[in-house]
Amino acid sequence: DTGVSQDPRHKITKRGQNVTFRCDPISEHNRLYWYRQTLGQGPEFLTYFQNEAQLEKSRLLSDRFSAERPKGSFSTLEIQRTEQGDSAMYLCASKRTQSSGANVLTFGAGSRLTVL
Amino acid sequence: GDSVTQMEGPVTLSEEAFLTINCTYTATGYPSLFWYVQYPGEGLQLLLKATKADDKGSNKGFEATYRKETTSFHLEKGSVQVSDSAVYFCALSSMEYGNKLVFGAGTILRVKS
Repeated sequence: DTGVSQDPRHKITKRGQNVTFRCDPISEHNRLYWYRQTLGQGPEFLTYFQNEAQLEKSRLLSDRFSAERPKGSFSTLEIQRTEQGDSAMYLCASKRTQSSGANVLTFGAGSRLTVL
Repeated sequence: GDSVTQMEGPVTLSEEAFLTINCTYTATGYPSLFWYVQYPGEGLQLLLKATKADDKGSNKGFEATYRKETTSFHLEKGSVQVSDSAVYFCALSSMEYGNKLVFGAGTILRVKS
């Protein structure tokens, strides 16, 4: 168990460019979540997958954002035509679905995006 | 909708001081409550949790009690260390909100030796 891995850790890009982040969850975790965290704020939910199915998307996820989890393992989050307001830390988290018990997620260290 | 409010920081304490970070919540159902901690350069880590009223979560000397009557989940530690310096996030999850975590804005804790 190597934890949740995210890549890249830091990305600096110019406005209008596309960026893609990758998340490798803990191997036996079937649920995968993406959150966004801006400076001075707590993480905000973006979307989540159960296996390869994307079950919910937040209104924060505009049309420029797309997330995939093609084989139910790793996931990618792509932002097209980046804007300065997209600058944030993008967090990935995973968990194993439980029939009972509290909703405990394991988070990655995040991918920090800076849009110039 | 569901929300979490926690005290603003930064909170600056001397080593061995008593710590309280206030957290209150608004939820339509019966949420589970969490404290997550984020050390510099690392991901959020679960510190403690409580799933029902009057439950006390505890870990690494930190404690928080689920108070339904005051809708609160204050974090306490009797004697902080420099290594406790981090950002602390209060969070909830509820079935009414699809079991997604809803976070507060976070409180920076700085402990001086």
